[in-house]
Order: sequence, then C-alpha cells, then structure tokens
Amino acid sequence: DQQVKQNSPSLSVQEGRISILNCDYTNSMFDYFLWYKKYPAEGPTFLISISSIKDKNEDGRFTVFLNKSAKHLSLHIVPSQPGDSAVYFCAASYGGSQGNLIFGKGTKLSVKP
Amino acid sequence: GAGVSQSPSNKVTEKGKDVELRCDPISGHTALYWYRQSLGQGLEFLIYFQGNSAPDKSGLPSDRFSAERTGGSVSTLTIQRTQQEDSAVYLCASSPRGLGHLYGYTFGSGTRLTVV
Repeated sequence: DQQVKQNSPSLSVQEGRISILNCDYTNSMFDYFLWYKKYPAEGPTFLISISSIKDKNEDGRFTVFLNKSAKHLSLHIVPSQPGDSAVYFCAASYGGSQGNLIFGKGTKLSVKP
Repeated sequence: GAGVSQSPSNKVTEKGKDVELRCDPISGHTALYWYRQSLGQGLEFLIYFQGNSAPDKSGLPSDRFSAERTGGSVSTLTIQRTQQEDSAVYLCASSPRGLGHLYGYTFGSGTRLTVV
C-alpha cells in the first residue's frame, strides 16, 4: 500500500521548456514533503522541501507546489537543462516519524538538447 | 570526510552467506538512516539511529537484518543468511538531530548488493 505515488515512471522534455513532475499521497498526517534528485551510481541529493502549511516554495529554477485538498504536489523546473536529467523522488514525513521519509518510486526525467 | 561514506561500493555474495555493510556519516550528524532500493522500487526505510536513543528498527524486513552504531558514529548493517530478494542498493544517510524531514538527508553513494 503505497502512501507516496509517482505515477509517471518517465518524462521527456526539451531543453529550455518546463518540466513538471507529479506526486500524490494518501496519508493526511504528512506535514513535510521533499524532492530528491538521483544520478546513476550516486546517492540521492536533496533538492527542495515544503511544509504542509505552505502551498508553494521556490528555489531558483525549482518550485514545488502543494495542493493539500487534492493530496498532490508537483515539482516545476524552469527552464529545464540537460544536466537536470536524473531520477526524481518525492518523499514525505510526519511529525511522529522522527525524520523518517516515505519515498515514491521515482520519475526518470530526460531533458533533450 | 565531507560526505557520507559507504563501503564496499559493490558486493556479490552467495546465497546463505552473511554480509556486513558499513556507513561513515558526516561528522557531527547525530541521526543516521539506512534505506534500500530494490530494482524498480522507491527507497524503503530500514532503520534509524538518533544519538544515544534506542534505534527505530520498524523497517527491518526480517530478523536476518540487524544494525548497530558504535560511538554515535560509524554504523554497520548486517544481513545474515542472505537471500536473492536481499539484492538491492543499500543507502545510508545522515542528518543533524533527526531533522531530515526539514533539511533533507545527505545520502552516501550506496552499496550495491547482489546475492547469487
């Protein structure tokens, strides 16, 4: 029973365009959401997070949007660059989890020059 | 070191053998986590250490799995009597004071375990 779902296993976009990665969750107790990026043969690296009391958080080219009523969040990358090609994981936690994160299965983003 | 260090980077073992995976967290990080990623799956939580508190072992899949953390620093994940379904990338991460949900963990590069 997946609590964090990334329904698109892959996404391909053109360089310079917007990449939108989606994530759905089922547990209404989640209060923090994070995105990680993973290159092959490397560990995941933290990208951006958002608290459940916010609906948007922006960091440079990366923006995360949270829609609590729909239990949906998305990561927007604008403009997309070839170096953004990686697997992106959505993750969530709640206050009682002591920092443990529940991860989705990931979406592989390919940005084509 | 500057990052989380894991060894070995790759391990091939025969079914039924025991293996030990090592993690050296970032100096000063009191929280240490073990996750694993099986093929085509997301990251699965295994165990969490925070300072001198009792570890949260709720993610360990069976009693063949155990982990310890000595002196609040280096951690070892042990898998006894390995099975083919144990094949995965085992990732270690650390964070300051269990605040990984706020600031993100720092992950190591992982140990790719293959059980043949």
